[in-house]
Amino acid sequence: GDSVTQMEGPVTLSEEAFLTINCTYTATGYPSLFWYVQYPGEGLQLLLKATKADDKGSNKGFEATYRKETTSFHLEKGSVQVSDSAVYFCALSFGPGGSYIPTFGRGTSLIVHP
Amino acid sequence: DGGITQSPKYLFRKEGQNVTLSCEQNLNHDAMYWYRQDPGQGLRLIYYSQIVNDFQKGDIAEGYSVSREKKESFPLTVTSAQKNPTAFYLCASSIEPGGTSSPLHFGNGTRLTVT
Repeated sequence: GDSVTQMEGPVTLSEEAFLTINCTYTATGYPSLFWYVQYPGEGLQLLLKATKADDKGSNKGFEATYRKETTSFHLEKGSVQVSDSAVYFCALSFGPGGSYIPTFGRGTSLIVHP
Repeated sequence: DGGITQSPKYLFRKEGQNVTLSCEQNLNHDAMYWYRQDPGQGLRLIYYSQIVNDFQKGDIAEGYSVSREKKESFPLTVTSAQKNPTAFYLCASSIEPGGTSSPLHFGNGTRLTVT
């Protein structure tokens, strides 16, 4: 079945460091890909998405590129802030004819120190 | 502002009691979902509903029940049959089932503690 694999956390960085959180997926077909962020005590919020190969999603300085050849959607940010400390989830879903129920990775905790 | 409201934020119950978690959305979304979140386990799907009066079991439906009598409401009942009910419960909705690029919109969750 479909699955999403994220790097295990926590990822601990100093402020202004470069961030990469790896995400790879297994799916038959070409899903849409998403990154969600969860701040402590809250629900998830959509961070960015990409719907087809080579699309780049971006938001709030975060970016991820849909790489069909490597089945990956790695999240990057050039300079993290303390306020970016949260749990990040990678997810995929399909459209009509496929399973639209999103499949989530286990989440990666990011801790940013001043 | 449109959104999803989950209530209450914290809920405490004694073992053996059923408890109902509320989820209301004013986004006019067709699809609604319930997830359970435990530390280190990510999100696990309990139930989902594509339209009113229809719902489907997810991966961990045992010990839970739902109803979808109105488009905007999708309450979850945690029954006494659920062996380990203490968890963080998240409700979500999406604009349409099968929408390729439709993201989920989440509520802020209910933390249930059963002792």
